[in-house]
Formats: sequence, structure tokens, C-alpha cells
Amino acid sequence: SAVISQKPSRDICQRGTSLTIQCQVDSQVTMMFWYRQQPGQSLTLIATANQGSEATYESGFVIDKFPISRPNLTFSTLTVSNMSPEDSSIYLCSVRNTGELFFGEGSRLTVL
Amino acid sequence: DQQVKQNSPSLSVQEGRISILNCDYTNSMFDYFLWYKKYPAEGPTFLISISSIKDKNEDGRFTVFLNKSAKHLSLHIVPSQPGDSAVYFCAASASGGSNYKLTFGKGTLLTVNP
Repeated sequence: SAVISQKPSRDICQRGTSLTIQCQVDSQVTMMFWYRQQPGQSLTLIATANQGSEATYESGFVIDKFPISRPNLTFSTLTVSNMSPEDSSIYLCSVRNTGELFFGEGSRLTVL
Repeated sequence: DQQVKQNSPSLSVQEGRISILNCDYTNSMFDYFLWYKKYPAEGPTFLISISSIKDKNEDGRFTVFLNKSAKHLSLHIVPSQPGDSAVYFCAASASGGSNYKLTFGKGTLLTVNP
């Protein structure tokens, strides 16, 4: 398994601001994934963060709204830009190990 | 269009009885299925998985059954314990490609009553 730490664990943000979520893994991993869980919804993949290259975004998600950094094999950040109340969600970082995905504890964002 | 469906948002069972959580999928390309458990304020944790070449996988109190013809899988927990109370997510993926993408259901809240 992998130990994944996310910061912040929760935050309350104002409309129009941006927030960066950090994800730290205790081992080197090639791919890191960012998921979103909106209230009452399933977990949805936002993008795959690859070290040394640009992130790969899923349909419906764009780099301008969710810029991602991946400076090394153990760390990634996801920024939620120009937030609106619809961005209120739990954002989860995950890594793949031996076929399964392991998740961080999530960052619960509330946008007022 | 939801490719993975968990039609029961909640389930309540008595301690010691069997819990059965169901999941249906529509994408015939899915060939690997997983169950995750999520406690409040924590990230999902992997529970058990099954490949499409099998129809059953067992791990202690947890058994996953796969019916490919019906595109249906279920998670059986027996005996159920109060500590099993959590949200259970069904997830599926299609092999191949370099991007490991899981498609999740909306989850079922299981409550095990003492």
C-alpha cells in the first residue's frame, strides 16, 4: 500500500478565489490521479498527473480550471481556480499500486 | 450516462447477518472490478477486487460475485459487524492503455445495527 497525505483536509473559500491542494506520497510513483466527489455523486477522475509531462485531463475538465503540478515522483498539487459554489466537493489524490488505487483522506472544499 | 450503478443508496442490516451490496455496469469493456469502503472524513480504502475471468473472489468475511452476462456484481459481508458501517463504492476499469481509470458508482451507505 501507499501512505498518501493531503493538505488542506478542509477549507471554506470565497467565490472567485483559487485554492491549491497538496498531495504527498511516501513512495515514488509514476502516475498520480486527482478525483472529485461532489455531494451525493460518485468519484470522478479529473486528471492524471505524470511526472515530467503535462497532466492528462478527462472530458469535462480543463487545465485552466484545474491546473496540476507534478514536480517529482512523490508530490503533486491540484489548484481549483476561480471557484464557484459548484466546486464544493471532496478532492482526492490517489496512486496506483499492485493494481489497486490508494487514496488520500481527501480535501473537503466549501465555496461560499 | 452512468456506467456503474449502485441503485441502493442505503442498506441497514443487523449485526451477525449477511450484507449484500449490489452493483450493475453497462460498459462491456470493463474487465476488472473493485469495491472500496469509505468512512466519514477519510479517503476510500480498497476492500476487494475481481477480474472478469473469475466469478467469485473471497477474502475473509468479504466475497465478491461477478455475473458477466447480467453485468452485475455483488459484495457479500458475512457476518456483518458494526465496524462495517460505511459507504461502499463499486468501481470498474477496462484493461489496456496507459491511463488507469476507475469508474465509480455513487455508493451505498451500509449501516450495521448492534
